[in-house]
Amino acid sequence: GESVGLHLPTLSVQEGDNSIINCAYSNSASDYFIWYKQESGKGPQFIIDIRSNMDKRQGQRVTVLLNKTVKHLSLQIAATQPGDSAVYFCAENGGGYSTLTFGKGTMLLVSP
Amino acid sequence: DAGVTQSPTHLIKTRGQQVTLRCSPKSGHDTVSWYQQALGQGPQFIFQYYEEEERQRGNFPDRFSGHQFPNYSSELNVNALLLGDSALYLCASSPLGSGANVLTFGAGSRLTVL
Repeated sequence: GESVGLHLPTLSVQEGDNSIINCAYSNSASDYFIWYKQESGKGPQFIIDIRSNMDKRQGQRVTVLLNKTVKHLSLQIAATQPGDSAVYFCAENGGGYSTLTFGKGTMLLVSP
Repeated sequence: DAGVTQSPTHLIKTRGQQVTLRCSPKSGHDTVSWYQQALGQGPQFIFQYYEEEERQRGNFPDRFSGHQFPNYSSELNVNALLLGDSALYLCASSPLGSGANVLTFGAGSRLTVL
């Protein structure tokens, strides 16, 4: 498949480690945030979301933290697996009609 | 369920030409959005269609236009292509009034402008 992104910030971890991917968002009026995973040759895939009235939300092996004071999001992946290797984007929804503003992305590389 | 399907998957054009990209939304979805993803960047919102009308538009010139058909499928047209239009064009669909958490993306159409 095609490479989704070149010259992206890259996080390299070993299988079984916990991964933390960070994102700074731009619009203080945004009230909804999503993390997406994009594998090579595919479109973005929903991972987890969080509303601005929350500061933490947990899913299966993933946790999203929101710090509105400094406009920062993080995605934590527990027990990272090789199948988690992909580019991860945060996105904010402040423009209505389910339109999203995406961040630049981080490439996660998981070694067996 | 076929999800969101886009065509063509890859195409090459030269500067000044025009291109049409196509999208079929996921079954049950009636709203279609288009995004441009340059290499190494996150997707950027182009516009959104509902009931065959453009409902919202991002910061893209008028060279970018679209259409939605009665069966909810959509086209993205780009005129007078520039080298900088080279990108992955993503279509995403959702049911009307739903949150962004149900936005479903296709695999995209990779446009190369020479």
